[in-house]
Amino acid sequence: DAEITQSPRHKITETGRQVTLACHQTWNHNNMFWYRQDLGHGLRLIHYSYGVQDTNKGEVSDGYSVSRSNTEDLPLTLESAASSQTSVYFCASSSNFQETQYFGPGTRLLVL
Amino acid sequence: AQSVAQPEDQVNVAEGNPLTVKCTYSVSGNPYLFWYVQYPNRGLQFLLKYITGDNLVKGSYGFEAEFNKSQTSFHLKKPSALVSDSALYFCAVRDLSNTGKLIFGQGTTLQVKP
Repeated sequence: DAEITQSPRHKITETGRQVTLACHQTWNHNNMFWYRQDLGHGLRLIHYSYGVQDTNKGEVSDGYSVSRSNTEDLPLTLESAASSQTSVYFCASSSNFQETQYFGPGTRLLVL
Repeated sequence: AQSVAQPEDQVNVAEGNPLTVKCTYSVSGNPYLFWYVQYPNRGLQFLLKYITGDNLVKGSYGFEAEFNKSQTSFHLKKPSALVSDSALYFCAVRDLSNTGKLIFGQGTTLQVKP
C-alpha cells in the first residue's frame, strides 16, 4: 500500500546544529507539505512543493529550508537549530489542489 | 484573511451519547473544508471533507459533518460516541489562493467516558 513515512520519529539536538528531517511518500503525489504542530497553534505551514525542483515558503519558513530532487522525497533542514524550533513536524502530500492531504506519522524534535 | 476557529478546547461526552465538535470558518469564497483526527503519538488521519454538493457529509468511523453556509460552520458529529473516539480533532479549510495548503483550527480534544 502507498504510504508516507518520516524519519527519525524522535530527535534530540543541540542549539546551533544542522538537522535534517526526512519525508518519503509512495503515493506519487506532486504536492508535498511540511507543517509544525505547537500547542495552541494547530498546524502551521513551513514549506511546500508542487513538484520536482519546486519549493515555496509557508507562513513560518524562517530558519528552515527544503529541496525537491525527486517526486518521493521532501527533506526539511533546520539550518541552525534553535530552541523555538522544538516542535512536532508533519509531512503531508496530495495529488493536486483539490484532493485530500495525507499526513505522515510525525517527527518529534527537541532542541536543547 | 482566511481562518478556522474551534471554540472548544475540550469536549466531554459519555459513551453512547451523540457528540458534536464545533468548527467555524472565515473565507471569502466557497470553502473546501476538512476534518482530521489525531490519536496520541500518531499523525493526522483524514475523516471527511466538503467540497460541494450535499451539506451533510459522511466520513470514516461513523462520523459526519454538516456544512452550514449561513452560519459559516462545519460541525463534526457522531450519533453514538465510543471510548475509542477519544482523540484530538482538527478542522481545516483549504487556502483559496491555490497554494493547496490547509489552514487549521487549534484543535479540540474529545474525551469519551465509559
